[in-house]
Amino acid sequence: EVQLVQSGAEMKKPGESLKISCKGSGYTFTNYWIGWVRQMPGKGLEWMGLIYPRDSDTRYSPSFQGHVTFSADTSTNTAFLQWRGLKASDTAFYYCARQTPTVTSSDYWGQGTLVTVSS
Amino acid sequence: QSALTQPRSVSGSPGQSVTISCTGTDSDVGGYKYVSWYQQYPGKAPKLLIYDVNNRPSGVPDRFSGSKSGNTASLTISGLQGEDEADYYCCSYTGTYTHVLFGGGTKLTVL
Repeated sequence: EVQLVQSGAEMKKPGESLKISCKGSGYTFTNYWIGWVRQMPGKGLEWMGLIYPRDSDTRYSPSFQGHVTFSADTSTNTAFLQWRGLKASDTAFYYCARQTPTVTSSDYWGQGTLVTVSS
Repeated sequence: QSALTQPRSVSGSPGQSVTISCTGTDSDVGGYKYVSWYQQYPGKAPKLLIYDVNNRPSGVPDRFSGSKSGNTASLTISGLQGEDEADYYCCSYTGTYTHVLFGGGTKLTVL
């Protein structure tokens, strides 16, 4: 069974750093792109970008380029989303999602990680 | 790029059919066969319902169907059930991995 399990909720202060994780199982982790999606409180879904775990090829949405970093550890089948310098506006649910082989949709999703940034 | 345009809400009675529209441009919905639809319950992760315009993943009931005409894609839910009450999002992959657009979401109420 394909599963993506994300790390737990986080509370941080503005300016702090954070790294959240997304662990894949039930499939060959290195063969599928992983996408990241933001959902701010009460709002819709926003595309952040993708990482290909096999070679860490990353593609960022222009809206998030420079503010977040994607990475992956193939030894633990885990993808990561990282911030250096959180802002209050980063408060949101963050979802990882496995991409279909054609990279035209997201077929399996993690349960989401709530990140709260507040002074 | 702007988000795709969806109605904020739709409603229907059990057993009826409802259609949710998703309007984009020639550069996204109209230009590619890469429209997908997701169902999201409050506090839960989205779930893939339709991919590549009109394909259903295994396990998704055939009450859910997708189509596209020009720059507008549609999700039709037939034989509405109470469990269909949720938020629905369309999505268009635009041929570059960096430009993936979601619709603003549509809240479906089953009366």
